[in-house]
Amino acid sequence: NAGVTQTPKFQVLKTGQSMTLQCAQDMNHNSMYWYRQDPGMGLRLIYYSASEGTTDKGEVPNGYNVSRLNKREFSLRLESAAPSQTSVYFCASSELFGYTFGSGTRLTVV
Amino acid sequence: LAKTTQPISMDSYEGQEVNITCSHNNIATNDYITWYQQFPSQGPRFIIQGYKTKVTNEVASLFIPADRKSSTLSLPRVSLSDTAVYYCLVGDGGDMRFGAGTRLTVKP
Repeated sequence: NAGVTQTPKFQVLKTGQSMTLQCAQDMNHNSMYWYRQDPGMGLRLIYYSASEGTTDKGEVPNGYNVSRLNKREFSLRLESAAPSQTSVYFCASSELFGYTFGSGTRLTVV
Repeated sequence: LAKTTQPISMDSYEGQEVNITCSHNNIATNDYITWYQQFPSQGPRFIIQGYKTKVTNEVASLFIPADRKSSTLSLPRVSLSDTAVYYCLVGDGGDMRFGAGTRLTVKP
């Protein structure tokens, strides 16, 4: 009963490098989300996917792209990482509004 | 999008009941109210959800007045392990945004 699985758990990137954060859920949820959380702050929505094949921008989408690969998987890509993207990234899925979150990816951009 | 306002922080002592109120004046007809708990270095965890009146589960109660412009999360007999940040979210799915949350500190 894994719930929401995020990989990797930790990552250090150099400015300008690219990477993809992976997220998979095994609860057959339709909706999936990517949030970022900066130190001492609340979570901010980057992108979400209400169903397979659809994606929408959230509060802070600039510098990110997403792919809803199938119902289970929702990936977040940083094409050219910047120090301002240093944060903890959380993926979540939901059915009827209650979210289940992953354990997060701690990303540092130097 | 419904904007939420919560106290930044609250202190309590073990064994006390804690009530955290969230204000959401522009809540829409289809919006639900959901509360989450977050410990350091973890993702938020669902606590309770409601639409109107009162909802109770094994860990908390949620009180929503008739006008639905606010809601109160009630935690009975808190313990040290309830020290966390509590978030109130309002919406009908999709673009759901977290506020700053309420940092609850439970003291011995």
